[in-house]
Amino acid sequence: DVKVTQSSRYLVKRTGEKVFLECVQDMDHENMFWYRQDPGLGLRLIYFSYDVKMKEKGDIPEGYSVSREKKERFSLILESASTNQTSMYLCASSPYRAGVSYGYTFGSGTRLTVV
Amino acid sequence: AQTVTQSQPEMSVQEAETVTLSCTYDTSESDYYLFWYKQPPSRQMILVIRQEAYKQQNATENRFSVNFQKAAKSFSLKISDSQLGDAAMYFCAYRSATAGANSKLTFGKGITLSVRP
Repeated sequence: DVKVTQSSRYLVKRTGEKVFLECVQDMDHENMFWYRQDPGLGLRLIYFSYDVKMKEKGDIPEGYSVSREKKERFSLILESASTNQTSMYLCASSPYRAGVSYGYTFGSGTRLTVV
Repeated sequence: AQTVTQSQPEMSVQEAETVTLSCTYDTSESDYYLFWYKQPPSRQMILVIRQEAYKQQNATENRFSVNFQKAAKSFSLKISDSQLGDAAMYFCAYRSATAGANSKLTFGKGITLSVRP
């Protein structure tokens, strides 16, 4: 069964801490994405990557960075966590083939609380 | 930029009845894909149904079907014979077919569907 695995389901961090959210996929997908989900706001794209070491800013990249050193792993980094980054974080992946638009496979999400 | 609008935040349906969830989108492109995703209370998002814009025929998947009106930029999801397990948040999403490797999904804000026994 193909999977996108997020390392933590629940996480509590203190303000100012550096936080790493890890995502691993076993489907050899080229594209990987990080979204945050907040009530009433839907899913908002933070960053995405279409290849190893490649990254693109999404709609709300401020306060975040990403790393993709290997094809299967895409990490989201909160350089200095703040309370307004308390949210649900969703990782997703999809294959890329020219001329075809695939849907995503999602991970189970990480509920991050910054106190 | 493309936008996806789901104007109803909540809906409710009686078990075994039919319900339609609305979605509209705005784009200047002619070639794209539309999706409906389901997020049950356990949180993992799963793909419900997918529609290619170049196809006139509406997609169907068992009890789920869409009404795709390209000129009106409307993409509604119909759930027939609703079941308790259909209770979830549903997201409509758009993805360009021409943006290449940078293509990504744009989501609506979602609608919470409850099913009454």
